[in-house]
Amino acid sequence: EIVMTQSPATLSVSPGERATLSCRASQSVSSNLAWYQQKPGQAPRLLIYGASTRATGIPARFSGSGSGTEFTLTISSLQSEDFAVYYCQQYNNWLFTFGPGTKVDIK
Amino acid sequence: EVQLVESGGVVVQPGGSLRLSCAASGFTVDDYTMHWVRQGPGKGLEWVSLISWDGGSTHYADSVKGRFTITRDNNKNSLYLQMNSLRKEDTALYYCAKKAMARGVIGYFDNWGQGTLVTVSS
Repeated sequence: EIVMTQSPATLSVSPGERATLSCRASQSVSSNLAWYQQKPGQAPRLLIYGASTRATGIPARFSGSGSGTEFTLTISSLQSEDFAVYYCQQYNNWLFTFGPGTKVDIK
Repeated sequence: EVQLVESGGVVVQPGGSLRLSCAASGFTVDDYTMHWVRQGPGKGLEWVSLISWDGGSTHYADSVKGRFTITRDNNKNSLYLQMNSLRKEDTALYYCAKKAMARGVIGYFDNWGQGTLVTVSS
């Protein structure tokens, strides 16, 4: 099983600031990495797939990078609606695994 | 518009059984692999199971293997999860999710339902 880790667990950011979230895989997943956003009481929403491709309707302030075992999600200028929990997920094989999440909250 | 609507979640005793359903609409259901993903109270996401678009391939997380069975009825645009020998640690919100690309088994999830809550408690 590929183990996904995320850091930090919580990120406190002021609106308008930049947020950088990290995700690491225990072995290479190539670019088979997705990011999801989850707000309280809501289902997860796909943000990024293929490590760096934004899903339909996702604002350009969200960007993803990385390959192999190290990945980053960057939110260039945080808006009020971006405060949420963010999960990375590898889909390199059928035993899909998620990271534990990074909570982005208001500083 | 893609819609996934889960149902069937209830309070059940340890050792009991339950069947969850997911009604799908807004896409050609029999072209897509479907998944169940769960989220324990205050916890992260855990992939549970998948079934290929034609039902010919299924996979399970180790935590549910031998206890849960995923099936689908493409004629009814529905996905199911039969859950047996339930344990307290199976308590979670269960989401069904759709694989983004048609055919194939491996891929990310582009649509999720709102979930159905399963509570295992005596």
